[in-house]
Amino acid sequence: SYVLTQPPSVSVPPGKTASITCGGNNIGSKSVHWYQQKPGQAPVLVIYYDTDRPSGIPERFSGSNSGNTATLTISRVEAGDEADYYCQVWDSSSDPHVVFGGGTKLTVL
Amino acid sequence: EVQLVQSGAEVKKPGESLKISCKGSGYSFTGYWIGWVRQLPGKGLEWMGIIYAGDSETRYSPSFQGQVTISADKSISTAYLQWSNLKASDTAMYYCASAPDVSGIPYYFDYWGPGTLVTVSS
Repeated sequence: SYVLTQPPSVSVPPGKTASITCGGNNIGSKSVHWYQQKPGQAPVLVIYYDTDRPSGIPERFSGSNSGNTATLTISRVEAGDEADYYCQVWDSSSDPHVVFGGGTKLTVL
Repeated sequence: EVQLVQSGAEVKKPGESLKISCKGSGYSFTGYWIGWVRQLPGKGLEWMGIIYAGDSETRYSPSFQGQVTISADKSISTAYLQWSNLKASDTAMYYCASAPDVSGIPYYFDYWGPGTLVTVSS
């Protein structure tokens, strides 16, 4: 089955740029979606279809996807961005299903 | 305003059955999929399965096939997740989430419920 690989943790000082990667075999041929989950809360969609932002999500959040890596980029990181981030795809294999990455803990130093 | 309201926390014993619910409002329930996602304590998100509210077409993760049953009652805009034989290892937070239907595919989850905490302990 399809596997998405994320780094367990990423740390960045406030005001800097955080990049969270999501690796998968030819992931550039799939649509990647990203969720933010703060402690004790439900996940929130922050990027869909690789680059689109839902209403209410700051422009500081952006996404890209090419080759074997998709990336969530958070510019001008704020303390409130500290959370777990998950990538997700729909795998249209012989047994279509949802796949989540293992998640990345973003720490704002 | 789109809302997914989940049933309250449950404490059950091993071997018992359980059915939790997720009621959608503020959108066309029958035009969306409802997925269920498990989160074990301190762990990541695991997709369990998904149901199309319009016709109840259901797909399961191989990891959960046969372990749970997903259903929906479109007349009351509610989806369900049920177990017939709970185990201690089912102790987790369970989220429902809505997914827009795009040519029969639920690509992503746009809204999430607050979660239902299920605790299974003797």
